[in-house]
Amino acid sequence: EAQVTQNPRYLITVTGKKLTVTCSQNMNHEYMSWYRQDPGLGLRQIYYSMNVEVTDKGDVPEGYKVSRKEKRNFPLILESPSPNQTSLYFCASRGSYNSPLHFGNGTRLTVT
Amino acid sequence: AQSVTQLGSHVSVSEGALVLLRCNYSSSVPPYLFWYVQYPNQGLQLLLKYTTGATLVKGINGFEAEFKKSETSFHLTKPSAHMSDAAEYFCAVSDATGNQFYFGTGTSLTVIP
Repeated sequence: EAQVTQNPRYLITVTGKKLTVTCSQNMNHEYMSWYRQDPGLGLRQIYYSMNVEVTDKGDVPEGYKVSRKEKRNFPLILESPSPNQTSLYFCASRGSYNSPLHFGNGTRLTVT
Repeated sequence: AQSVTQLGSHVSVSEGALVLLRCNYSSSVPPYLFWYVQYPNQGLQLLLKYTTGATLVKGINGFEAEFKKSETSFHLTKPSAHMSDAAEYFCAVSDATGNQFYFGTGTSLTVIP
């Protein structure tokens, strides 16, 4: 089954403790991206990657890092999480340039 | 940067009534347009998309949307609401490269029995 898999689904952490949210897709998509969803703000793009070792900033990249060492994986790294990064995070991938996004089921992060 | 405006953060309709969810985008160049639906505790699922060609786009579950360039709109409609349509709906636009996506703030649809 074609899917985007995120882990973990829920994560509670404390300010400053580094964390990684993993994302993997099995559709051989070159493009992957990360979003955060906040009430009243919709989804906002954090980072995207057009291929292995090619990443670029979205609208809200501050406080986040990404890496793309393999085509199927695109982890999101928060090196020093802060409470304002408490949010619902989604990973997505797509095929060709005008194709829709395929989303994972989300990771709900709480930073205390 | 492009922007997407969804009018009405909450819409309530009776079962069997017309569903109309509004979406306007800002772009001087026709972008790629999408409607997604999100059910509780799930990711977003594609309802329909407009890239090129016919301006009336049909999607899944009886939904359709019309791209109107002159009005920069891409409103979502369904002739008859069903209880299972209750969800949050997002309009989105991507740029010509397909690399940057911009989402509206979402519309929560309630269907009243």
